Amino acid sequence: AQKVTQAQTEISVVEKEDVTLDCVYETRDTTYYLFWYKQPPSGELVFLIRRNSFDEQNEISGRYSWNFQKSTSSFNFTITASQVVDSAVYFCALSETMNSGYSTLTFGKGTMLLVSP
Amino acid sequence: GAVVSQHPSRVICKSGTSVKIECRSLDFQATTMFWYRQFPKQSLMLMATSNEGSKATYEQGVEKDKFLINHASLTLSTLTVTSAHPEDSSFYICSAKRTGTDTQYFGPGTRLTVL
Repeated sequence: AQKVTQAQTEISVVEKEDVTLDCVYETRDTTYYLFWYKQPPSGELVFLIRRNSFDEQNEISGRYSWNFQKSTSSFNFTITASQVVDSAVYFCALSETMNSGYSTLTFGKGTMLLVSP
Repeated sequence: GAVVSQHPSRVICKSGTSVKIECRSLDFQATTMFWYRQFPKQSLMLMATSNEGSKATYEQGVEKDKFLINHASLTLSTLTVTSAHPEDSSFYICSAKRTGTDTQYFGPGTRLTVL
């Protein structure tokens, strides 16, 4: 069975600080996808990134960056110069291919990020 | 692109009644849709996988007769909570996977309160 661990349940930072959200995963699949989603107080999950297991290149998108380390089974997410609008719960997720051929997502428990002015 | 809507966003009902929640992919076709349940301050729990034109696949512990899922078209899946009880009160979220990709796009969720 697959597992996603987000050890940080809550992180509080002051605006403009950098913050890294950790994600560690376990899987026996050789091909898999990793995701990060943001859930603001409104409740809707916003897709942030998808990473293929064969692509270990780090990615940067504006203030967001992701570090994928297959050797340590980690897919960490860094927000640079955090803003109040970044306050949300962030979920890391791993796709799993079932015997039926369909894939489902296994979510971590989420990390609540609070950015204060 | 990749917008998913849910209706209603919030519903309050009496115990014993049935509630239908709709999930629509607005700008893409979704062969597969998913239904999740989320309790306060907890992660998402997958309830079932819904495939267009076939029966839904339910996760262990989810009663298929209580949570009826219909995926009648490539853009619409419905979840009906039958004979709802207060313990069914929760935040229900659907997602849709664009055909040919592995990314799920989520709806805004439906908050169900059963009195």
